[in-house]
Amino acid sequence: DAGVTQSPTHLIKTRGQQVTLRCSPKSGHDTVSWYQQALGQGPQFIFQYYEEEERQRGNFPDRFSGHQFPNYSSELNVNALLLGDSALYLCASSLALAEAYGYTFGSGTRLTVV
Amino acid sequence: GQQLNQSPQSMFIQEGEDVSMNCTSSSIFNTWLWYKQDPGEGPVLLIALYKAGELTSNGRLTAQFGITRKDSFLNISASIPSDVGIYFCAGQRYGGATNKLIFGTGTLLAVQP
Repeated sequence: DAGVTQSPTHLIKTRGQQVTLRCSPKSGHDTVSWYQQALGQGPQFIFQYYEEEERQRGNFPDRFSGHQFPNYSSELNVNALLLGDSALYLCASSLALAEAYGYTFGSGTRLTVV
Repeated sequence: GQQLNQSPQSMFIQEGEDVSMNCTSSSIFNTWLWYKQDPGEGPVLLIALYKAGELTSNGRLTAQFGITRKDSFLNISASIPSDVGIYFCAGQRYGGATNKLIFGTGTLLAVQP
């Protein structure tokens, strides 16, 4: 049973460019959340998708957008990249109805903006 | 963004020692979670706590959900080298429009054989 799969594992982009990160949730999960983890910090909530809609959003600018597909996989898009966007981006899947249960995290995508 | 206060920031101990770390918040949570993160990996769930006052064990790990619902602690007994990593607490409120996780600042644990 595959866990959460993220791609790519590493990425280097230039300031001003756009990037798309991808996530496949754990089998049986229907909700995908994205987190940004800067070096030496805990993960910060970006947004969550359920039934192909953004259900809740953290304190991130509109440059951060996402999408969820009918098979529950998800994409995170970041436009007009800044140096400060360099971080580990984590995808976490869960069951919407099991809100008290912890999420399952992927290994993340390491984004470096130069 | 909001982060929970987690202490200590780092710990350097000898193999076999016990470890204790805690997490505090200015607001209450419905659930407290403890995760371990190894380099280059995502956080892995260790223990989940659902009720105020609850004490839960998972092998050598024991965690408690504070009575005020604003704090939690994690103990590791008889540490071993593979306990090395960063430990994060996370609080969760659910119901209504949100169930996001709010993470602590992390505790780096180093274990010397």
